[in-house]
Amino acid sequence: DTGVSQDPRHKITKRGQNVTFRCDPISEHNRLYWYRQTLGQGPEFLTYFQNEAQLEKSRLLSDRFSAERPKGSFSTLEIQRTEQGDSAMYLCASSLPSGGDTQYFGPGTRLTVL
Amino acid sequence: ILNVEQSPQSLHVQEGDSTNFTCSFPSSNFYALHWYRWETAKSPEALFVMTLNGDEKKKGRISATLNTKEGYSYLYIKGSQPEDSATYLCAPFSGSARQLTFGSGTQLTVLP
Repeated sequence: DTGVSQDPRHKITKRGQNVTFRCDPISEHNRLYWYRQTLGQGPEFLTYFQNEAQLEKSRLLSDRFSAERPKGSFSTLEIQRTEQGDSAMYLCASSLPSGGDTQYFGPGTRLTVL
Repeated sequence: ILNVEQSPQSLHVQEGDSTNFTCSFPSSNFYALHWYRWETAKSPEALFVMTLNGDEKKKGRISATLNTKEGYSYLYIKGSQPEDSATYLCAPFSGSARQLTFGSGTQLTVLP
């Protein structure tokens, strides 16, 4: 399967713990995006990379969130000191370099913070 | 942050009915409009990317139209089937936001 993959698919953690999610994009895509989706809402943009460079980050994103894409391939999203409000579906997508190009989504990581 | 509105929020139709949804978005600085279908427990699936005013795209029983001057797009499903049950999301890409801004979606349930 050559689609976008995410790991883990589900994560349950206690408040205050750190969590890390991984995204493997489609191999020829050099843009990678992270979104967060909560119940009843559409995906909300968090950040995106072109190759290894993080080009944009949502102003709504807390400092507890950090993302990396060290070799321009897979990416990780870390949430430090998780809070119950961080419970959501975290989606990753990848695309070719044009800003209007189709983004291909992974299945998401469902985070539950107890 | 762009204001993207989708209506209705949810919709139940009988198998065989045709239906349509609306997506409205700011018309200024428009670049492209994306439609996605998101079935439960699956990845969001791209349906269309539309860029030109008056554009109309079709994929099987699903079609979409675009009006960039007034800032809206319609998605039509002809002869709905139970497998069409999903949340349909629209997302404009604008020169100002420089990323996709999703609406809250229309949740469609097609009853057999």
